[in-house]
Amino acid sequence: EAQVTQNPRYLITVTGKKLTVTCSQNMNHEYMSWYRQDPGLGLRQIYYSMNVEVTDKGDVPEGYKVSRKEKRNFPLILESPSPNQTSLYFCASSPHGQGKWNTIYFGEGSWLTVV
Amino acid sequence: AQKVTQAQTEISVVEKEDVTLDCVYETRDTTYYLFWYKQPPSGELVFLIRRNSFDEQNEISGRYSWNFQKSTSSFNFTITASQVVDSAVYFCALKGGSSNTGKLIFGQGTTLQVKP
Repeated sequence: EAQVTQNPRYLITVTGKKLTVTCSQNMNHEYMSWYRQDPGLGLRQIYYSMNVEVTDKGDVPEGYKVSRKEKRNFPLILESPSPNQTSLYFCASSPHGQGKWNTIYFGEGSWLTVV
Repeated sequence: AQKVTQAQTEISVVEKEDVTLDCVYETRDTTYYLFWYKQPPSGELVFLIRRNSFDEQNEISGRYSWNFQKSTSSFNFTITASQVVDSAVYFCALKGGSSNTGKLIFGQGTTLQVKP
């Protein structure tokens, strides 16, 4: 079954404790991206990746890092989480990158609370 | 600038009623892509449909149908004979053809409540 898988789905953590939210897709998609969803602010793009070893900042990259060492994985790293990073996070992937856009699929979301 | 407007914040209907969710978009790109996603209470984003700007055919999928009108920059979504399981937040989204980031511009969402 084609899917985008995120882990953990739910996490409560403390300020400053590094954490990684993993994202994996089994569709051989070139493009992957991270969004956060906040009440009143909607969905905002954090980082995106056009292909392996190619990543770039979205609209709200501060406080986050990403890597794309393999095509299927695109982890989101919070080096020193703060309460304003409490949010619902979504990973997304799409079959094609620049110039050829197709359906963008989202993972199930990761609810992150930083206390 | 690109923008998606979903003017209806909340809609409440009784089961079996038909309901239309409105979506109006703004873009200067001649090529663009429109999407609808469903977000049930469990939180995931479920893809419903993608429409390319050069394809104005309307589409029907079971109880769902979409009306794409370039002349009015609208991409409305109709649920026929609504069911309680249709209760969710529905997002319309736009990706401009000139975008190099793949970023989707989302509307604010319409919360649909279907009462039994």
